[in-house]
Amino acid sequence: DVQLVESGGGLVKPGGSLRLSCAASGFTFSNAWMSWVRQAPGKGLEWVGRIKRKSDGETADYAASVTGRFIISRDDSKNTLYLQMNSLKTEDTAVYYCTILLVGGNLPADYWGQGTLVAVSS
Amino acid sequence: QSALTQPASVSGSPGQSITISCTGSSSDVGNYNLVSWYRQHPDKAPKLMIYEDTKRPSDVSNRFSGSKSGNTASLTISGLQAEDEADYYCCSYAAASNTVVFGGGTKLTVL
Repeated sequence: DVQLVESGGGLVKPGGSLRLSCAASGFTFSNAWMSWVRQAPGKGLEWVGRIKRKSDGETADYAASVTGRFIISRDDSKNTLYLQMNSLKTEDTAVYYCTILLVGGNLPADYWGQGTLVAVSS
Repeated sequence: QSALTQPASVSGSPGQSITISCTGSSSDVGNYNLVSWYRQHPDKAPKLMIYEDTKRPSDVSNRFSGSKSGNTASLTISGLQAEDEADYYCCSYAAASNTVVFGGGTKLTVL
């Protein structure tokens, strides 16, 4: 079974940094374009960004709200996806989901982790 | 990239049918057959209910159907059941920016 397990969430001060990880299993991780989606408390879903597989250039695309502050990377040898978050703002407070997103992805599949909470507060 | 427009809430009685709309533009919803719909129960991860505008995953009830006309996609749920009470989100590829955009979400209440 496909499993996506996020970790690394927590409380951080405005202007600080945090790195989230997503351990993937149950599928060929190196073949998948992976996405991060977030959800602020009581709010809707927001796409954060996506990284393509190595054979497609391993390029990443980001939402305008995080461009220049967030970086998505992957380590195929560890089946792990990362989200480096810098210059954090209070409005970045959200549950962050690691996903294989069918829309904008390269696989006929759609899977979500259970999410990890990031709270940005002084 | 602006979020897609959904009604904030809809409601219906058990057994009835409801439709949730999702309005975008020719740069996203109207451009490709790539609209998905998700259902999210409280404190749970979203679940895919419809993909590629009209297709239904094998584990989703045939009470759920999707359609699209121009820049507006729609999700219809027939034979409403209590378990359908949840938040629903549409999602589309946005070709111009090579990004993905979600709708603001619709809270479905089963009366």
